[in-house]
Amino acid sequence: DGGITQSPKYLFRKEGQNVTLSCEQNLNHDAMYWYRQDPGQGLRLIYYSQIVNDFQKGDIAEGYSVSREKKESFPLTVTSAQKNPTAFYLCASSLAGGYNEQFFGPGTRLTVL
Amino acid sequence: GESVGLHLPTLSVQEGDNSIINCAYSNSASDYFIWYKQESGKGPQFIIDIRSNMDKRQGQRVTVLLNKTVKHLSLQIAATQPGDSAVYFCAEKDRMDSSYKLIFGSGTRLLVRP
Repeated sequence: DGGITQSPKYLFRKEGQNVTLSCEQNLNHDAMYWYRQDPGQGLRLIYYSQIVNDFQKGDIAEGYSVSREKKESFPLTVTSAQKNPTAFYLCASSLAGGYNEQFFGPGTRLTVL
Repeated sequence: GESVGLHLPTLSVQEGDNSIINCAYSNSASDYFIWYKQESGKGPQFIIDIRSNMDKRQGQRVTVLLNKTVKHLSLQIAATQPGDSAVYFCAEKDRMDSSYKLIFGSGTRLLVRP
């Protein structure tokens, strides 16, 4: 089956720790995205990548980092610099070109204890 | 900055009735729009999209209407079912933005009464 996988589904972290969220896609999509969603809110763009070895900051990149070493993988690291990291994190991917739907993964719920 | 917004945060409808979810956008440069459905605890799912060269597009039980004059987008769901209960987001693409980014609205929650 083609799709996007995110792991883990639930993640707990102590304050001051970095944590990395996994996102993998086998859709052969060039572009990948990370969003943050807070309860009752919409999606806010953290980082996006339109091609391997290149990525751009989104609207709320502070306290986050990403890498894009492989086409199918776009891991997100939530660093200790992120002041309010508890949220639902969504990864998405799309074909290149800008007029294509984004396919979303199932999400990772991060809770900072 | 320009943004996508929604008129109503929550819409309650009777099972079997038609639902209309609205979305206002302010960016006149937007030329591609998508509706997504998000069930609780899950990622958004694509419902339907429309380009700005169209006024209407139909899918299975869903219709999207685009009124460029007043910058308004709507999603119509026919014969609403309990499984339609979810949060619905509209998203837009700015044709002046060379990236592939979409801008998402804040969402409308649809509640279907039995």
